[in-house]
Parts: sequence; C-alpha cells; structure tokens
Amino acid sequence: QVQLQESGPGLVKPSETLSLTCTVSGGTVNSGTYYWSWLRQSPGRGLEWIGYIHYGGSTTYNPSLESRVTISVDTSKNQFSLKLSSVTAADTAVYYCGRDHFRWFGEISTYYLDHWGQGKLVTVSS
Amino acid sequence: DIHMSQSPSSLSASVGDRVTITCRASQSISTYLNWYQQKPGKAPKLLIFAASSLQSGVPSRFSGSGAGTDFTLTISSLQPEDFATYYCQQSYSTPRTFGGGTRVEIK
Repeated sequence: QVQLQESGPGLVKPSETLSLTCTVSGGTVNSGTYYWSWLRQSPGRGLEWIGYIHYGGSTTYNPSLESRVTISVDTSKNQFSLKLSSVTAADTAVYYCGRDHFRWFGEISTYYLDHWGQGKLVTVSS
Repeated sequence: DIHMSQSPSSLSASVGDRVTITCRASQSISTYLNWYQQKPGKAPKLLIFAASSLQSGVPSRFSGSGAGTDFTLTISSLQPEDFATYYCQQSYSTPRTFGGGTRVEIK
C-alpha cells in the first residue's frame, strides 16, 4: 500500500523559504505513470494546486506561484520536495503531497490524485 | 485557469437520504472530473475519477455522472460516515483546480 508522508518545519518566518519533503513508501517515484504533486489548503483559498514533478525531472507549476516555487525529486531516497520562497502570512496553510495518477481508461486518458499525505500545517509568522 | 463551482455550498440531510451535489466547469473538460471526500483534520480521499468511475474500496452508494461542463455526485442512501465535505476537481489541464466544496451536515 502506497503511503506518502510530509516532513519539514511547521513555522517559517516571513520572507524566508518554506521547505517540505514528501517520502514515498510502498511504491517508487521512479515511474512514468505518476506525477508527484504538492497542494495546499487554507480557509481563505480552499484547495490550491501548487505543482508537480515527473520522475524524469520535468515540472509544471501553478502560474500564480511559479516565480517562487521549486519542486525536485530524489529517486535514490524515494522522495520529492517543495521549496516556496519569500513567504508571507498568506502562505500559511496545510500542505499536502499527493500522487497524480495518469491512466488509460479504455480509449480515454485520465488523471486523478489517488494517494495523499496526511498534511503538514505550516505557519508563516515572526 | 478553469474555474470549478459547486452547489450547494452546504446541505443538511438525514441518514438514508439521497444526496446530490453538482459541479460546473467554466469550460468543457470532457470527463476529466474527480470527486473527493474530506473529513476534519484529514486529507481528501478519492471517491470517483473520470466523472463516473468508482475508486477501489469506495462504497457503491457513491456514483458520479456528467461530461463537458456539468457533473453530479450522488450518494444514494446517506450513511453516518458520509458526513463530510466533498470537492470536485478538474484534471483536464494545469493548473489543476478544485471546487469550493460542499459540506454535508446531519439534519
């Protein structure tokens, strides 16, 4: 059974960089079928997709955050990571890592987030 | 970005009721529509993918329908463990976007 687990600081100062890591167990990040994703959730912004990385290293980011986001993958550790720079209080949220599954369904392709980490609350405050 | 809207934003229902939640996309997304259930303090859980396909392990009282811009999640007979918030999400394009959620409460 695939499990994802977020780790990293729960408190980050304004203007600094938020860094989180997602460790994948029961499966491998080294697969072309999956896109390893970061999302966040806050009362004011709802569920927000941050971006994802494919095992070969190609990334796609939400344009609203693209100038501040870096997602990377470490296949040797079976982990992927998020860095969000120049944070403000507006970046306070529960951050989730997830597995976006690409699949052929008959003649149709589809994507769905079938596994999520438990979530990590990150507060931006001095 | 594709905007996803859900209605209602909340509803009250009793155990055994049939519940319907709707989701509308701002442009056609074919059947690239997923439904998730979230309980307080927990991560969202996938219920339905590709608009109408039931995720493994999800009870058959959950069903989804629709294509293009209009979609529906139906719970045929509401159970106590179904009280939660439900989200739709489009996977037609990036950035992936979610609806605002529908909170299902006990009547």
